[in-house]
Amino acid sequence: KQEVTQIPAALSVPEGENLVLNCSFTDSAIYNLQWFRQDPGKGLTSLLLIQSSQREQTSGRLNASLDKSSGRSTLYIAASQPGDSATYLCAVFSGSARQLTFGSGTQLTVLP
Amino acid sequence: EAGVAQSPRYKIIEKRQSVAFWCNPISGHATLYWYQQILGQGPKLLIQFQNNGVVDDSQLPKDRFSAERLKGVDSTLKIQPAKLEDSAVYLCASSLVLRDEQFFGPGTRLTVL
Repeated sequence: KQEVTQIPAALSVPEGENLVLNCSFTDSAIYNLQWFRQDPGKGLTSLLLIQSSQREQTSGRLNASLDKSSGRSTLYIAASQPGDSATYLCAVFSGSARQLTFGSGTQLTVLP
Repeated sequence: EAGVAQSPRYKIIEKRQSVAFWCNPISGHATLYWYQQILGQGPKLLIQFQNNGVVDDSQLPKDRFSAERLKGVDSTLKIQPAKLEDSAVYLCASSLVLRDEQFFGPGTRLTVL
């Protein structure tokens, strides 16, 4: 059974800092990994999708990496802004489960 | 391009009552998913459809939950009768095909009293 863990559960940083969010998964037989952002009371917004054959994806100030063999992904946010404050969720699409399995998220607060 | 639409946005009911949620996916998306998100947790898949057929409903509590996707477009998720532990946000998502990038709607926040 696929399990996804995100550490830390919460993070608070001053504006302008670069930061890294971590995601680990137990079954390396994945099709892809997706990072989402969730604002309070809202749905999920897709940030980046990394296919299993890829090592990283970039979108603006965001960079996500994938190391399938070690079961890890990181989301790097450059020059953080207060508007980046949200919960960031990692999810993997597993071959065995044929479904997206989510971590519990990292709640990020960027202080002005 | 319009996103995934869901209604209602909020619903408050008494336990043992029934409730239904509606989802309209992104146009052209063959795969539709229903998730349950309990406060402080990541979403958990309840059921996924490919067109109007069920791909996976292994985590759907079938004694009280049901879902359908008529004509392979809109979908309805129903709970009957509701329990206190069903209080959660119910999220609908869609993708072009299975295993593709998923796009989520705003969710329905259900409170069962």
